[in-house]
Amino acid sequence: DAKTTQPTSMDCAEGRAANLPCNHSTISGNEYVYWYRQIHSQGPQYIIHGLKNNETNEMASLIITEDRKSSTLILPHATLRDTAVYYCIGLNYNQGGKLIFGQGTELSVKP
Amino acid sequence: EAGVAQSPRYKIIEKRQSVAFWCNPISGHATLYWYQQILGQGPKLLIQFQNNGVVDDSQLPKDRFSAERLKGVDSTLKIQPAKLEDSAVYLCASSTPRRLGQYFGAGTRLSVL
Repeated sequence: DAKTTQPTSMDCAEGRAANLPCNHSTISGNEYVYWYRQIHSQGPQYIIHGLKNNETNEMASLIITEDRKSSTLILPHATLRDTAVYYCIGLNYNQGGKLIFGQGTELSVKP
Repeated sequence: EAGVAQSPRYKIIEKRQSVAFWCNPISGHATLYWYQQILGQGPKLLIQFQNNGVVDDSQLPKDRFSAERLKGVDSTLKIQPAKLEDSAVYLCASSTPRRLGQYFGAGTRLSVL
């Protein structure tokens, strides 16, 4: 599974877009990019995942670069409830599909 | 739909005691996972079940940790005897084969004194 690199922490103003970057330069061709978040005292929550194409759901958008070496999770209108640790994870189903969590990015949404 | 249920929510024990955690996954989810999350770190997979069979237990400290999922539904994780370094949150997750991500419970916070 690819090693991912994320900034340790980020701030975002309430109502603005939060753009969380992730570097996964060693990602293999059949490895998905998954994003989870963990709000304090809760279990991780699935947000979105993608392989090559950009993806959007009711929670967020995922932009994956054409070379797949990096991606950006976008929360279009951040609220205080989006304050959490965000994890970017490379996942290869051909190798068991194991989630390997790194340190993640601690996002603080401020009023 | 109901989420992943875990109990207890909190547990405090002394070192060398035994403890057990229970997990009931989302109905119909064949795959069940147990994770350990030490304060300040991301969750670490301990064991993965597919129905009632073990898929991956490479990170489970088998001298003191055990887990079972006898009927392919709910699962129990046991620690015997506990050490101070076992203080952590123990998370259970479940998933379907459709690659829509894993769904996590709220976890059990264990403090070993």
